[in-house]
Amino acid sequence: DTEVTQTPKHLVMGMTNKKSLKCEQHMGHRAMYWYKQKAKKPPELMFVYSYEKLSINESVPSRFSPECPNSSLLNLHLHALQPEDSALYLCASSQEGGQLSNQPQHFGDGTRLSIL
Amino acid sequence: AQSVAQPEDQVNVAEGNPLTVKCTYSVSGNPYLFWYVQYPNRGLQFLLKYITGDNLVKGSYGFEAEFNKSQTSFHLKKPSALVSDSALYFCAVRDKAAGNKLTFGGGTRVLVKP
Repeated sequence: DTEVTQTPKHLVMGMTNKKSLKCEQHMGHRAMYWYKQKAKKPPELMFVYSYEKLSINESVPSRFSPECPNSSLLNLHLHALQPEDSALYLCASSQEGGQLSNQPQHFGDGTRLSIL
Repeated sequence: AQSVAQPEDQVNVAEGNPLTVKCTYSVSGNPYLFWYVQYPNRGLQFLLKYITGDNLVKGSYGFEAEFNKSQTSFHLKKPSALVSDSALYFCAVRDKAAGNKLTFGGGTRVLVKP
């Protein structure tokens, strides 16, 4: 069992729908991440939150909107997605700050998103 | 800028034989190096890391990796492979100058045949 929980596991949506992906961790980690992963490819970083503030946005289209309501939760709001956005979306978390910055990221099992 | 290369898309090995997955890196400063494994329909699982100290790092499931600064390599090894080791393996580097950003290699698919 992973310590980072993502819901839902699968999501099928139309291009005009609005949906949200959710991620939760209770390890006390203060850095949280969203990645997009295409089949047989490495994860691509989308966003990084550090102490609930957005610290990195890798030039992600505005149809993806991240939110960090508190230190344990991370959401990714989706609106007007395109078929090429179909992928596995992974959430990760890690300890943060000083010597803790060399700690590994812990990944959830992802949400498999299909855009019709 | 930091980068990671995994020169082999796929490695095939017979069960019981040694397994090596290659990784080379490029960073401007001292690297933090990581290996992750991904099984089908799962997220990435952390295997091991090199931060400083001993060049030989031991990790989960019997895996180890050797840091070689002169060759800028961090190859993953297992003395005796199991069929259950068949998965996708990613090497990653984190440069302190790049903050929290991990850079992944392209991944290597390992197939262990009985």
